[in-house]
Amino acid sequence: EVQLVESGGGLVQPGSSLRLSCAASGFTFDDFAMHWVRQAPGKGLEWVSGITWNSGSAGYADSVKGRFTISRDNAKNSLYLQMNSLRTEDTALYYCAKDIPPRSAGFHYMDVWGKGTTVTVSS
Amino acid sequence: DIQMTQSPSSLSASVGDRVTITCRASQNIRSYLNWYQQKPGKAPKFLIYAASNLQSGVPSRFSGSGSGTDFTLTISSLQPEDFATYYCHQTHNVPPTFGPGTKVEIK
Repeated sequence: EVQLVESGGGLVQPGSSLRLSCAASGFTFDDFAMHWVRQAPGKGLEWVSGITWNSGSAGYADSVKGRFTISRDNAKNSLYLQMNSLRTEDTALYYCAKDIPPRSAGFHYMDVWGKGTTVTVSS
Repeated sequence: DIQMTQSPSSLSASVGDRVTITCRASQNIRSYLNWYQQKPGKAPKFLIYAASNLQSGVPSRFSGSGSGTDFTLTISSLQPEDFATYYCHQTHNVPPTFGPGTKVEIK
């Protein structure tokens, strides 16, 4: 079964850092681009960041550029999101999502999503 | 960034109704348009890719059409399990962007 499990969320103060992880299983992780998508309470979906299958390219939403860094460890079947200088507006449920098709340049569509991990930024 | 709009923002419909949701892009995105369904407390579910291609396992009552800037998602006969929020999503440019969502509620 294809599965994505996020972890690392929590309650932090503004200006703090947090590192999210996503553990992948059930598919050949290093063949697929991966994404982080967030959803603030009661709001819609916002793409945060994505990374290609070979880490050759990464992209960020303007709202997190310069503060967040996406990375992956294909040997560990894991995706990460390092979040620095957190703001109250970063409060959201953060989803990890798998892209398709495999070994493709750029980003396409997200066919599998995790259940998310909650990040709350508050003083 | 490409801006995505959806209309309506919400609608009320009955089981068996035909429902159409519109998505518009702020510039030409060819057919780089996908649709997702999200139910309360759940992760989004992938429905349609490249404007009109049904993801495996998605019921055939769902269909998508359009290209360029205007797209539609149609549910031919609304079922109880279809009450949810639907999002369009463009991947023509980075950053990929989502529409604000259309909430389909029970009349």
